[in-house]
Amino acid sequence: EAGVAQSPRYKIIEKRQSVAFWCNPISGHATLYWYQQILGQGPKLLIQFQNNGVVDDSQLPKDRFSAERLKGVDSTLKIQPAKLEDSAVYLCASSTGIQETQYFGPGTRLLVL
Amino acid sequence: AQSVTQLDSQVPVFEEAPVELRCNYSSSVSVYLFWYVQYPNQGLQLLLKYLSGSTLVKGINGFEAEFNKSQTSFHLRKPSVHISDTAEYFCAVTPQAGGATNKLIFGTGTLLAVQP
Repeated sequence: EAGVAQSPRYKIIEKRQSVAFWCNPISGHATLYWYQQILGQGPKLLIQFQNNGVVDDSQLPKDRFSAERLKGVDSTLKIQPAKLEDSAVYLCASSTGIQETQYFGPGTRLLVL
Repeated sequence: AQSVTQLDSQVPVFEEAPVELRCNYSSSVSVYLFWYVQYPNQGLQLLLKYLSGSTLVKGINGFEAEFNKSQTSFHLRKPSVHISDTAEYFCAVTPQAGGATNKLIFGTGTLLAVQP
């Protein structure tokens, strides 16, 4: 079974630029999560989707971050404009449903200069 | 709200020695508990989880953890570590059923550094 796929793996941008990350969850997984992992900290949930609906986006900085999962499968996370403090690893995870085990992708490492 | 504390940021240990990684949590509701491992430049992999039943949980790669409700702890143990166990270990909790979200609340991680 293929795991959670993410791209790109690495991205370097300058502050105030925009960037987008892509996630393809495990086939059949209805629930998709985006976490932000800042160096030296544990991952923090940014947004959770159930199919193509948002379940929780309480910690998403909505003035600059946006995410979508239009067809209930792939998802994109966008930052516009990026700030220095957005430098982090962005992890995508999926599960068969709420309260089920979450499986993580390899992450996208973002460096904002 | 929930929080997770991993007091040890780094645990150095010699190969074939036993190890314990500590995890304490705080929550006003019952929670499920997890341990994840993160190898360099990789995503998180589930080691084990406690949902209910026996408080001693066995996971992959020879790891086990014990849930202690009175002490609100979920410490991870391995009787004999290998060089390949060198990685970052994260403890996490999520509230039990009752909410629409099951977001994981993670600790800050413990780096297990196994030395030859």
